Amino acid sequence: GAVVSQHPSWVICKSGTSVKIECRSLDFQATTMFWYRQFPKQSLMLMATSNEGSKATYEQGVEKDKFLINHASLTLSTLTVTSAHPEDSSFYICSATRMVASSPLHFGNGTRLTVT
Amino acid sequence: KQEVTQIPAALSVPEGENLVLNCSFTDSAIYNLQWFRQDPGKGLTSLLLIQSSQREQTSGRLNASLDKSSGRSTLYIAASQPGDSATYLCAVRRDNYGQNFVFGPGTRLSVLP
Repeated sequence: GAVVSQHPSWVICKSGTSVKIECRSLDFQATTMFWYRQFPKQSLMLMATSNEGSKATYEQGVEKDKFLINHASLTLSTLTVTSAHPEDSSFYICSATRMVASSPLHFGNGTRLTVT
Repeated sequence: KQEVTQIPAALSVPEGENLVLNCSFTDSAIYNLQWFRQDPGKGLTSLLLIQSSQREQTSGRLNASLDKSSGRSTLYIAASQPGDSATYLCAVRRDNYGQNFVFGPGTRLSVLP
C-alpha cells in the first residue's frame, strides 16, 4: 500500500486565493520531505527540501513567500500556494525519506492544481 | 555536480519483447539508485532500489543492475506488457544532506498490444 499520502489529489481555486497541499508519511518517520513541480511531459522540478523542525531550503528561482512549506512533524509536511495565479497551475508532488543513506524515496500521488 | 541522463528518451515496442532502459550518472559517489515508474497524472511508484554495495536487484519481470564505477544502471523488463507503458525514471542518492536525490529525465515507454 501507499506509504506517502498526498491530499488533495486535485483542486481548483480562484486567482488570489491560497491552497494548502498535505503530504503525510503513513508508516515511517520522514525526516526529509521534498516538494516537486511537474509540467506536462517534463521531468520533476525540485522546489524545496524540508527537514522536520527546520526551515525549508528552496531551490533557486522558487519564491519562498509564495510557496510556504511547513514540516512541523515527522509525518506531515504542507505546501501552501499563496495568492495563486493561473501560472501556478501545475502538478505538485511530494516525496519523503528517512535521513539514512540506505533509505528509499517514497512519493505521494500528486496534486493537480488549477487556478482559474 | 551530479548529472543523470536516460537513454532512450522514448521507446515503443510490441508486446512480449524484452527491453532495456539505460541510466547514466556522472559522479560515482552515490549511496543508492532507485528506479521509478510514473503513469500519466500520477505520482512516482518505486520499482527497485539498489544500494551502492549491490550489483543488481530483481522484482518479478524487472531486473536492475548497477555499475557504480562506470556510472551506469540498466532496467531490464522481460516479456513486456501493455500495462508496462509508463515513464520510467532513475534517481541517485548523493548524500544525507541538501538535495539528496538527482533524477534523470525519464524514458517514455509504450508497449503495443
